[in-house]
Amino acid sequence: AQTVTQSQPEMSVQEAETVTLSCTYDTSENNYYLFWYKQPPSRQMILVIRQEAYKQQNATENRFSVNFQKAAKSFSLKISDSQLGDTAMYFCAFMTNTGNQFYFGTGTSLTVIP
Amino acid sequence: KAGVTQTPRYLIKTRGQQVTLSCSPISGHRSVSWYQQTPGQGLQFLFEYFSETQRNKGNFPGRFSGRQFSNSRSEMNVSTLELGDSALYLCASSLSGALADSYEQYFGPGTRLTVT
Repeated sequence: AQTVTQSQPEMSVQEAETVTLSCTYDTSENNYYLFWYKQPPSRQMILVIRQEAYKQQNATENRFSVNFQKAAKSFSLKISDSQLGDTAMYFCAFMTNTGNQFYFGTGTSLTVIP
Repeated sequence: KAGVTQTPRYLIKTRGQQVTLSCSPISGHRSVSWYQQTPGQGLQFLFEYFSETQRNKGNFPGRFSGRQFSNSRSEMNVSTLELGDSALYLCASSLSGALADSYEQYFGPGTRLTVT
């Protein structure tokens, strides 16, 4: 069975600072995909960044980057130059290569402090 | 391209009633997944449909059911509502093709169901 664990229920960061959100997962699969989704307060869930397990290079999207450690089954999200609009719930998600089902972590509530 | 739409956005029902929620995926998307989101449990997977067939089902009782139509629109039904069914129900669509980026799920705004 696949599981995703986010051990930080809540985090805060000062505006313009850097913050790292942790995520670990458990699977026996070798090929899979990992995602970070962002859910702002009372707004729609949107994709932040995606990582294919077969790629060794860490994914980067503007101020968002990941540290993917396949052997450790770790997939952390780094947000640089934090902005007020980054305040949201962040969910780590895992999907097997068959692409049929997502597994989500319980989320980390991030607050950016002005 | 229009995003995923869900109707209704808010719903109040009483225990014992049944409810039907609707989801229209992004045009061209053939996979629709449903999730229940509660503060304590996070997002829990209900089921996933592809080309009118249920491919996967989460660990929910049989009171929760769904279906998908030929135009990929999907409905979710909950019968004999219980207080614990109060939640945000999210629908997500994807291409579900052979390429990695086609697996990304695009979420709708959700239906907020309150059971009294």
